[in-house]
Amino acid sequence: ETAVFQTPNYHVTQVGNEVSFNCKQTLGHDTMYWYKQDSKKLLKIMFSYNNKQLIVNETVPRRFSPQSSDKAHLNLRIKSVEPEDSAVYLCASSIANTEVFFGKGTRLTVV
Amino acid sequence: QQNVQQSPESLIVPEGARTSLNCTFSDSASQYFWWYRQHSGKAPKALMSIFSNGEKEEGRFTIHLNKASLHFSLHIRDSQPSDSALYLCAVSGAGGADRLTFGKGTQLIIQP
Repeated sequence: ETAVFQTPNYHVTQVGNEVSFNCKQTLGHDTMYWYKQDSKKLLKIMFSYNNKQLIVNETVPRRFSPQSSDKAHLNLRIKSVEPEDSAVYLCASSIANTEVFFGKGTRLTVV
Repeated sequence: QQNVQQSPESLIVPEGARTSLNCTFSDSASQYFWWYRQHSGKAPKALMSIFSNGEKEEGRFTIHLNKASLHFSLHIRDSQPSDSALYLCAVSGAGGADRLTFGKGTQLIIQP
């Protein structure tokens, strides 16, 4: 099966902890993304990564960082989580100028 | 900065009815227009896209684009319960079809 795969599905953690979410795509795409979907279902792009070039949405706090080992993997690390980081984090991928394919998301709850 | 607005926020229609969802955008240089559908707990998935003014039909779904009025819409005929989902419109510009700005979504419920 070719798709975008994310782990874990859910994660609950305390304020101040570090978390890391994994994403892998088997679609052969050259660009990967992280989006945040808030409690009102608004999707906002956080990062895009293509050929080792990282484009960052300037509104993203510095405690968030993407990590890539190759073009099929793009993980997301949050250094010290805060309550407002509670959301669904969606990984996605595409190949130039075409449809963006999304994973099912990781739901983060910060307590 | 692109501003994408959707209406209505939520919609309940009976099975078999025609449904219309609306999306407006602020950047007149926008080039790519998408509708995504997200079933509860699932990944958003592209439903349809349009790149030039006019209309495009795929099965029960039709997308209209009017760039001059900064508006595009999705129409569903013969709505089915399986169409119940969150519908997200998205717009991208010269940066590429994959640089998406999303609206907040319309929650559609089709009542059997």
